[in-house]
Amino acid sequence: SQTIHQWPATLVQPVGSPLSLECTVEGTSNPNLYWYRQAAGRGLQLLFYSVGIGQISSEVPQNLSASRPQDRQFILSSKKLLLSDSGFYLCAWSGLQGYGGYTFGSGTRLTVV
Amino acid sequence: AQSVTQLGSHVSVSEGALVLLRCNYSSSVPPYLFWYVQYPNQGLQLLLKYTTGATLVKGINGFEAEFKKSETSFHLTKPSAHMSDAAEYFCAVSVPDRGSTLGRLYFGRGTQLTVWP
Repeated sequence: SQTIHQWPATLVQPVGSPLSLECTVEGTSNPNLYWYRQAAGRGLQLLFYSVGIGQISSEVPQNLSASRPQDRQFILSSKKLLLSDSGFYLCAWSGLQGYGGYTFGSGTRLTVV
Repeated sequence: AQSVTQLGSHVSVSEGALVLLRCNYSSSVPPYLFWYVQYPNQGLQLLLKYTTGATLVKGINGFEAEFKKSETSFHLTKPSAHMSDAAEYFCAVSVPDRGSTLGRLYFGRGTQLTVWP
């Protein structure tokens, strides 16, 4: 069966520090991968998606970037965190055209101080 | 573009009462429809989905939803609420893009369900 792993679960980082969140999927190949952010009162915001290795699309201009170095690995990064980057980050994967819906990781709570 | 509207950001019910969470969507083509549940500090879990076929869809934890094309609705119901149902619920719509492998999922803003003892 397919599983998705996301880590770390919580992270407290000072302003201006770098960020790296990792997400890996097991049990499937060539998944579509997604990064979402939940901020209080703002619902789910799609940040990035990827349909293949090295193929990244950004939805919202921001302080973050994403990379997909391997088929089932998706990384969210920042060179210098801002206070506004605080939030709950969720990784998700789907099959072709998202037919069965998305499967989400357990999330990372990021607090920038 | 697709959009999803969840009526009521907060819904409160008593334990044992009917749960009704409303969702309306906008789509120019037949959509796929989903309901997700999120417990505090956890990821989203798929409750149920409608793709094709029977319009009444049964999901986990006793929830069900009915796709009504004429009303562009996909409301979530449960006959009898339980304390463990307290969570945030998200409705989502997806329209496959035949020109791409991508299936974008558009989420509503979420409805926080509170269950009173």
